[in-house]
Amino acid sequence: AQSVTQLGSHVSVSEGALVLLRCNYSSSVPPYLFWYVQYPNQGLQLLLKYTSAATLVKGINGFEAEFKKSETSFHLTKPSAHMSDAAEYFCAVSENTNAGKSTFGDGTTLTVKP
Amino acid sequence: DTAVSQTPKYLVTQMGNDKSIKCEQNLGHDTMYWYKQDSKKFLKIMFSYNNKELIINETVPNRFSPKSPDKAHLNLHINSLELGDSAVYFCASSHRTGVSEQYFGPGTRLTVT
Repeated sequence: AQSVTQLGSHVSVSEGALVLLRCNYSSSVPPYLFWYVQYPNQGLQLLLKYTSAATLVKGINGFEAEFKKSETSFHLTKPSAHMSDAAEYFCAVSENTNAGKSTFGDGTTLTVKP
Repeated sequence: DTAVSQTPKYLVTQMGNDKSIKCEQNLGHDTMYWYKQDSKKFLKIMFSYNNKELIINETVPNRFSPKSPDKAHLNLHINSLELGDSAVYFCASSHRTGVSEQYFGPGTRLTVT
């Protein structure tokens, strides 16, 4: 069985500060990991994904995440927060099977203060 | 060009009614999904179809019935609506199950009164 835990349901940072959103996963097979962003009243959009290639993954809007197998983590970071980064962020894990489904974390609300 | 579209965007109805939500994707993907997002933003998968075949059917009341007439469409019909069905329902699609990222529609906000 697979699962995802996002530590911190709410994260608040100042504009220009480092953004760190935490995600830990559990999977019985090598996982595929994703970060999605959801802006108000919109659907989810892919930020980045890990599919067993490079452990440091770069995504859109200056975000990146590092896959650490020993820590079963896939934390999302951005060096400098912008006001436009305020949104809901979801970490997801999938398994490469015929019926592989994605399991989503509970989400982290990012607030950016001016 | 809208990749994944859903209709309607808003749906307000009374308890006991039957309603449908339609979803279409023009990405040529093989797999489509329905998710329910509650008021706390928790996202739960309900169903998944691959090439019109049901492959994921989570613990969902049988009042919910998905139908996939072809690879590009996945509709959700809900019978005897209840207050607890109020949520945002998202349709999504992906090239392959599991390994591919999912593309989400804009959501349908269902309010049952």
